[in-house]
Amino acid sequence: QKEVEQNSGPLSVPEGAIASLNCTYSDRGSQSFFWYRQYSGKSPELIMSIYSNGDKEDGRFTAQLNKASQYVSLLIRDSQPSDSATYLCAVLEFSGGGADGLTFGKGTHLIIQP
Amino acid sequence: DAGVIQSPRHEVTEMGQEVTLRCKPISGHDYLFWYRQTMMRGLELLIYFNNNVPIDDSGMPEDRFSAKMPNASFSTLKIQPSEPRDSAVYFCASRGSGQGVQETQYFGPGTRLLVL
Repeated sequence: QKEVEQNSGPLSVPEGAIASLNCTYSDRGSQSFFWYRQYSGKSPELIMSIYSNGDKEDGRFTAQLNKASQYVSLLIRDSQPSDSATYLCAVLEFSGGGADGLTFGKGTHLIIQP
Repeated sequence: DAGVIQSPRHEVTEMGQEVTLRCKPISGHDYLFWYRQTMMRGLELLIYFNNNVPIDDSGMPEDRFSAKMPNASFSTLKIQPSEPRDSAVYFCASRGSGQGVQETQYFGPGTRLLVL
């Protein structure tokens, strides 16, 4: 059974600092990796995706992938109070006949302290 | 684009009643997913469709749950009879297939279900 593990937190980070969120996954066949942000009472919203080993940067966000270690991370630079949310790591295994649904971690609750 | 549309947004019902949740995917998307989110179990995939055909329903908790997709723009998730442990937020999501593994999955606003 596919598993995605995240530290549930809460992770408290001062405003302006770097927030580092981590995720490990069990299925070596996983090909795509996603970070979703979910505000309380709202639906998950995609903020980053990564498919190859290494770093991918988008504005204040950097996703890092290490398939050998089965590890994905998300860095948020210059953290803002509006970044306070639950961050969900999700993994997709794509098969020749189609794409499975995403397997999600339980999320890390991030709090940015003003 | 209106995004994924779900109805109702909130549902309160009594144990034993039938509950029907509805979803309209983003136009042109050929994959549709139903998820359930609870504090204890997080976000779990229940079932997904490709081109209106159910592909994997292994996440459906038991026979009380059923899902249909009669056409490309509409899907239902039905619980009959409902039980208090079914209380959760149910999300519908859709995605295209043009970019393979790089396709983004978009979520609807969810239906918050409370079974008393």
